[in-house]
Amino acid sequence: AQTVTQSQPEMSVQEAETVTLSCTYDTSESNYYLFWYKQPPSRQMILVIRQEAYKQQNATENRFSVNFQKAAKSFSLKISDSQLGDTAMYFCAFDRLNTGNQFYFGTGTSLTVIP
Amino acid sequence: DSGVTQTPKHLITATGQRVTLRCSPRSGDLSVYWYQQSLDQGLQFLIQYYNGEERAKGNILERFSAQQFPDLHSELNLSSLELGDSALYFCASSVGLAGGVRYNEQFFGPGTRLTVL
Repeated sequence: AQTVTQSQPEMSVQEAETVTLSCTYDTSESNYYLFWYKQPPSRQMILVIRQEAYKQQNATENRFSVNFQKAAKSFSLKISDSQLGDTAMYFCAFDRLNTGNQFYFGTGTSLTVIP
Repeated sequence: DSGVTQTPKHLITATGQRVTLRCSPRSGDLSVYWYQQSLDQGLQFLIQYYNGEERAKGNILERFSAQQFPDLHSELNLSSLELGDSALYFCASSVGLAGGVRYNEQFFGPGTRLTVL
């Protein structure tokens, strides 16, 4: 079974600083996708970034980047120059590319950006 | 705006009742997924449909059922409701396979908040 673990239930960061959110996963698959989703107080689920396991290069999207360590099964999200609008729950998700592509979600990290 | 619509936004009902949640995927997306998010919890996968066919099933209760119609919209039916069914129900859609390429980002609707009293 696939499991996704986010070991930091809550984090805070000063505005303009950098913060890293952790995610580990367990799988026997060799190819898969990993995602970070953001859920602000509005509860909308917003895709932040994706990483394909067969790509060694870490994905980046503007101020968001990941540190993907396949051997360690680790997929952390780094947010640079944190902004107040980054305050949200962040969920790590795993897609093992089976017939259906159901996502396995972690339990989330609540991030607060402090002005 | 993800392009995925869900109705209604809020639903308040009583135990034992039956409700139907509706989802319209993004234009062109063939896959629809349903997730349940209980208070302060992560998302639990319920069920997936691809072009009208059930593709994957998660921890969906027997009291719950879903279907995807020829126009690709989907409905999630919840019956014999219990207090513990109160949650935010998300629908998501993805393209799936197109031109031999896999596009599997899931785009989420705004959710339906169900309150069972």
